[in-house]
Amino acid sequence: EAGVAQSPRYKIIEKRQSVAFWCNPISGHATLYWYQQILGQGPKLLIQFQNNGVVDDSQLPKDRFSAERLKGVDSTLKIQPAKLEDSAVYLCASSPRTSGGTYEQYFGPGTRLTVT
Amino acid sequence: LAKTTQPISMDSYEGQEVNITCSHNNIATNDYITWYQQFPSQGPRFIIQGYKTKVTNEVASLFIPADRKSSTLSLPRVSLSDTAVYYCLVGNSMDTGRRALTFGSGTRLQVQP
Repeated sequence: EAGVAQSPRYKIIEKRQSVAFWCNPISGHATLYWYQQILGQGPKLLIQFQNNGVVDDSQLPKDRFSAERLKGVDSTLKIQPAKLEDSAVYLCASSPRTSGGTYEQYFGPGTRLTVT
Repeated sequence: LAKTTQPISMDSYEGQEVNITCSHNNIATNDYITWYQQFPSQGPRFIIQGYKTKVTNEVASLFIPADRKSSTLSLPRVSLSDTAVYYCLVGNSMDTGRRALTFGSGTRLQVQP
């Protein structure tokens, strides 16, 4: 079974530039998540999709971040314009629909963003 | 939000058993406890999940007391490759967003030869 794919793996941009990250979840997984992980901290949820609908984006800085999941499969996360504090690893994860309260997330390798 | 508290770091030696405890005093009745492992430059990886008592799989055991206000991840006979950050999460798949998916700072386990 193929895992969660992300690209690019690394990206260096200057502040005020734009950047986009792509995620392909595991086939059949209904739920997709984007996390931001700053060095030395745990992942912070930015947005959660259920199929192609947004379930939670309360921690997404909507003035500069946007995300979409077209057709309920692939997803893109965009930052426009980037700030120095956006330097982090951006992780994508997916999980299957489960019952009974249990869940397991499968994470991709992440995209390391450096804003200079 | 179900907040979790873990030790910041732990040290061990190869071959020893390591127990990492997580406190979650305000765990809800329908919450499950899930542990993830993260190596440098990789995304977190699911280790184990449980609701009460004891759960064991091929890599770890999870001990949950009756009051469920804490849990202990037990790694038997650790090796150098177990050096990683370990995260404890509490939540339920019926919850969404921050309610279910709040990672703390994790526990950095360093295994020495």
